[in-house]
Amino acid sequence: RKEVEQDPGPFNVPEGATVAFNCTYSNSASQSFFWYRQDCRKEPKLLMSVYSSGNEDGRFTAQLNRASQYISLLIRDSKLSDSATYLCVVNQRDSSASKIIFGSGTRLSIRP
Amino acid sequence: GAVVSQHPSWVICKSGTSVKIECRSLDFQATTMFWYRQFPKQSLMLMATSNEGSKATYEQGVEKDKFLINHASLTLSTLTVTSAHPEDSSFYICSAASGSWEYEQYFGPGTRLTVT
Repeated sequence: RKEVEQDPGPFNVPEGATVAFNCTYSNSASQSFFWYRQDCRKEPKLLMSVYSSGNEDGRFTAQLNRASQYISLLIRDSKLSDSATYLCVVNQRDSSASKIIFGSGTRLSIRP
Repeated sequence: GAVVSQHPSWVICKSGTSVKIECRSLDFQATTMFWYRQFPKQSLMLMATSNEGSKATYEQGVEKDKFLINHASLTLSTLTVTSAHPEDSSFYICSAASGSWEYEQYFGPGTRLTVT
């Protein structure tokens, strides 16, 4: 089982729709979590950090569920410009090492 | 804020030559810098983590003698691909964090390396 798993998609939704992605992680030592978006042939850009209490930034809401070991990203009123690959990032530390693990990404395509 | 630059943006070199890629944090001090590689349609793979003034920590399977990393200051890290071969052709991306590994990372625009 991969340490961080994402549904690769692609998710193809109409403009204005609400779409949600999940990202599961296997190691309970995971300590910090982030969502990034990456456009084709570009570098990842930080979308938002994911806090235990959940956080919201405009149309984007991120949640963390430690009990079930997943994070989620909800996009409301989707725009054409939201088309991208969304990467979850999990930072974990245990007694021997600290690790940064990227999910393989979920592709989102918004259609007019 | 939190701008990271990389130079060059793309480079084509002959097999056997060495290529140096620079990563700079422009408006903050980067305690930690990371180097990644990404092949087409694949996810980012962390190559190494470097802290200013100390030796880089390489991920398993990454040859430290082939991928030389120097983090000489709080705003500059370099990756040198030595004796490059066609299989080293990839998209190399650096990122920087103002704290340690658990902080948000800000990515440079990447360097596309093609080895002929």
